[in-house]
Amino acid sequence: GAGVSQSPSNKVTEKGKDVELRCDPISGHTALYWYRQSLGQGLEFLIYFQGNSAPDKSGLPSDRFSAERTGGSVSTLTIQRTQQEDSAVYLCASSRRGSGNTIYFGEGSWLTVV
Amino acid sequence: AQSVTQPDIHITVSEGASLELRCNYSYGATPYLFWYVQSPGQGLQLLLKYFSGDTLVQGIKGFEAEFKRSQSSFNLRKPSVHWSDAAEYFCAVGAQGGSEKLVFGKGTKLTVNP
Repeated sequence: GAGVSQSPSNKVTEKGKDVELRCDPISGHTALYWYRQSLGQGLEFLIYFQGNSAPDKSGLPSDRFSAERTGGSVSTLTIQRTQQEDSAVYLCASSRRGSGNTIYFGEGSWLTVV
Repeated sequence: AQSVTQPDIHITVSEGASLELRCNYSYGATPYLFWYVQSPGQGLQLLLKYFSGDTLVQGIKGFEAEFKRSQSSFNLRKPSVHWSDAAEYFCAVGAQGGSEKLVFGKGTKLTVNP
């Protein structure tokens, strides 16, 4: 597609439920990133994919968070047993190779855990 | 590992006044440097980037930034601010090779008074 597409754009879930957030990167972009942005905070790096591999998952805050990428394209970020502190905007981004090339962001998935 | 500091959390300027947003980075080698802007409820838009070469970089919307290696800085400037520039501005640093993720500062919120 023309830009990075994320779904859902908004999600309200109950504490303890699992959620899946989807990212469809720009066609041809091999690098994909997930970031989290909490209210009043900057962007917190979560995980980086190059193709289907995740060479850097150092930012995942706990083992409740996982992500996968299939076919070198779509990625899913899964949060299990959601907690209220998981409420944030989850931003996906992609680029042709890495930060040596421009990184383009989606508009984010707003997650609210009640 | 790289890091970014944006010393000013919030800046207020009058429309038509000049603007400078500060960014200091920490990285052992030559970094990739970026400025992104985020309007309320929007994704991040790239304003400009520095990879190498000329240390004064021109971007969109009349913004420019200057890379100063001796000061580890990459400050964003605009000679005359418009009301539509009100937004949050994020500086980011990327590393050559390795994870190639971007590390972001916590952002500077810009308010423009009429």
